[in-house]
Amino acid sequence: KQEVTQIPAALSVPEGENLVLNCSFTDSAIYNLQWFRQDPGKGLTSLLLIQSSQREQTSGRLNASLDKSSGRSTLYIAASQPGDSATYLCAGASSSASKIIFGSGTRLSIRP
Amino acid sequence: GAVVSQHPSRVICKSGTSVKIECRSLDFQATTMFWYRQFPKQSLMLMATSNEGSKATYEQGVEKDKFLINHASLTLSTLTVTSAHPEDSSFYICSAQRLAGEIETQYFGPGTRLLVL
Repeated sequence: KQEVTQIPAALSVPEGENLVLNCSFTDSAIYNLQWFRQDPGKGLTSLLLIQSSQREQTSGRLNASLDKSSGRSTLYIAASQPGDSATYLCAGASSSASKIIFGSGTRLSIRP
Repeated sequence: GAVVSQHPSRVICKSGTSVKIECRSLDFQATTMFWYRQFPKQSLMLMATSNEGSKATYEQGVEKDKFLINHASLTLSTLTVTSAHPEDSSFYICSAQRLAGEIETQYFGPGTRLLVL
């Protein structure tokens, strides 16, 4: 059974810093891994989706990597801005996209 | 892109009443939709898988008679919370699965916040 863990649970950094959010999963037979952003009281915004055959995806200041052998994914945020403050969730799908397991999230705060 | 909508976005109801939440895939057909629940400061937990034209599959611990799911068409799934109680207050999020070639992807709705008084 897939389990997804995110560390740290909360992170606060000053504006402008580059930062890395970590996600680990237990089942290396992962179908895809997705990173989401969730603002307080709001729904999910999909940031990046990495298929099992891919190693990374990039969108603007965001870069996500996938290492199936080690069961890890990272989300790299370059030149952080206060508007990046949100909870970031990683979610892994095993076997097919039907069973998505979410991590508990990292609550990110960017200080001006 | 693939768009999924939910209605209503917020609902407040009295204890004992039933509430229906709709999930629609606006620009694609989805044979499979999913319902998640998110309690405050917690992550999303899958409640059930909704299959068009057949019965939903519920996760362990989710009462099928309390959370009625109907997936009558390829673009609409509904979740009805029957005889709602305050402990059912939560954020309910649906997703719809889209198949593009051989790649499956889930697209998420904006969520429905339910408050039961």
